[in-house]
Amino acid sequence: AQTVTQSQPEMSVQEAETVTLSCTYDTSENNYYLFWYKQPPSRQMILVIRQEAYKQQNATENRFSVNFQKAAKSFSLKISDSQLGDTAMYFCALAMDSNYQLIWGAGTKLIIKP
Amino acid sequence: DTAVSQTPKYLVTQMGNDKSIKCEQNLGHDTMYWYKQDSKKFLKIMFSYNNKELIINETVPNRFSPKSPDKAHLNLHINSLELGDSAVYFCASSQLTGNTEAFFGQGTRLTVV
Repeated sequence: AQTVTQSQPEMSVQEAETVTLSCTYDTSENNYYLFWYKQPPSRQMILVIRQEAYKQQNATENRFSVNFQKAAKSFSLKISDSQLGDTAMYFCALAMDSNYQLIWGAGTKLIIKP
Repeated sequence: DTAVSQTPKYLVTQMGNDKSIKCEQNLGHDTMYWYKQDSKKFLKIMFSYNNKELIINETVPNRFSPKSPDKAHLNLHINSLELGDSAVYFCASSQLTGNTEAFFGQGTRLTVV
């Protein structure tokens, strides 16, 4: 069975600091995809970043980057120069080629303090 | 132009009532989903439809019935609402293939009183 684990229920940092959210997963498949989604207080789910498992290079999107360690099955999200608008729930998710389902982590509540 | 829209945004209703939540996507995606987010923010898939055909039906009470009139719509009907049904329900869509980046609706907060 595939699983996604986010071990940090809540984190808070000062504005402009760098923060890393952890995510580990388990799957026996070779072809899969990993995502970080953001859910601000508005509840809208927003895709932050995506990583294909076959790519060795870590994905980056502006201030957001991942540290993808395939052997360790780890997929952490780094947010640089954090902003107040980054305050949200962050969900790590796993998708396989073999089915349609997204496997979700429990989420990490991130608070950026002014 | 909203990609995945669900209505209503808020729904407050009494126990025992029947209610529906509607979802529409204009992305041309083949697959649509319903997720339930509980009070601890944990997201759990309830149903998934591909081209109007049910492909995932997780363990949810029979009171929950999805209906897909066409591949752009997936509605969720709930009979005999219970207090424990209170949650935020998210609709989402994605393409059929494995790169299943999902686009989410804004969510519907259902409160059963």
